[in-house]
Amino acid sequence: NAGVTQTPKFRILKIGQSMTLQCTQDMNHNYMYWYRQDPGMGLKLIYYSVGAGITDKGEVPNGYNVSRSTTEDFPLRLELAAPSQTSVYFCASSYWAGELGKEQFFGPGTRLTVL
Amino acid sequence: SQKIEQNSEALNIQEGKTATLTCNYTNYSPAYLQWYRQDPGRGPVFLLLIRENEKEKRKERLKVTFDTTLKQSLFHITASQPADSATYLCALDSGNSGYSTLTFGKGTMLLVSP
Repeated sequence: NAGVTQTPKFRILKIGQSMTLQCTQDMNHNYMYWYRQDPGMGLKLIYYSVGAGITDKGEVPNGYNVSRSTTEDFPLRLELAAPSQTSVYFCASSYWAGELGKEQFFGPGTRLTVL
Repeated sequence: SQKIEQNSEALNIQEGKTATLTCNYTNYSPAYLQWYRQDPGRGPVFLLLIRENEKEKRKERLKVTFDTTLKQSLFHITASQPADSATYLCALDSGNSGYSTLTFGKGTMLLVSP
C-alpha cells in the first residue's frame, strides 16, 4: 500500500492564481482530512470528509474548497491565492475502529508559497 | 475557548535518559487523546492513543498517562536515543464516533544528544 499520497510536493503561486492540491489514499478509509501547518504552529483543520459525497468545514475553511467524489480522492482547491495561504498542507485519512478510536494516517505534505 | 498547551521550548536530554513531554488542555472533554511524532519535512506519524477511562498506556519504550481531573497527559520515552529526536504532537478527540475530529497542540521538539 502506498498509504496517503499528495501532489505536488512544492508549488509557488502568484497572488490571485488558483490551484488544486491532490490527495489519494489506497487504504479504503472513509474519513479524510486537510490540515495546514504554519511554522511553530499546530495543525489546523481546513475541511474533512466522512465519506464520498460528504464534506464539512473545519477550523479554517475560508479561501478553500473541497470535493469527495470517490473514497480514494479528496482534492483541496485554492481559489484566488493570498500570501496568508503560504503554508504546508497535509492530507490525512482514518477509519473508525469503534472503542479503539481512530488514528490518522498522514501524507508527506505539500509546501505552498504564495508571492 | 478550547486550548491545548504543549511546552514550546525544546526539551534537551542525554541519550539513555527518560524524556517526559506534557500536554495540558482547558475547556475540553476529550474522549481520546493521541500522540504523534513529526520529523522535519514530513507528515505526522501516529504513536499512541489513550481513552478517557484509561490511566496509562504502554508501547515498547513509550508510555502515556491521561489524567482527566488535571486535564493533562504525559508522554514518556524511556532509554531515549538520538533517533527519538523529533517534534511530538498531542491531539484531542472529543467525539466517540467516526464524525469527530482531532485538535492538535503545537508540539514539543525533543533533542536527544549522544
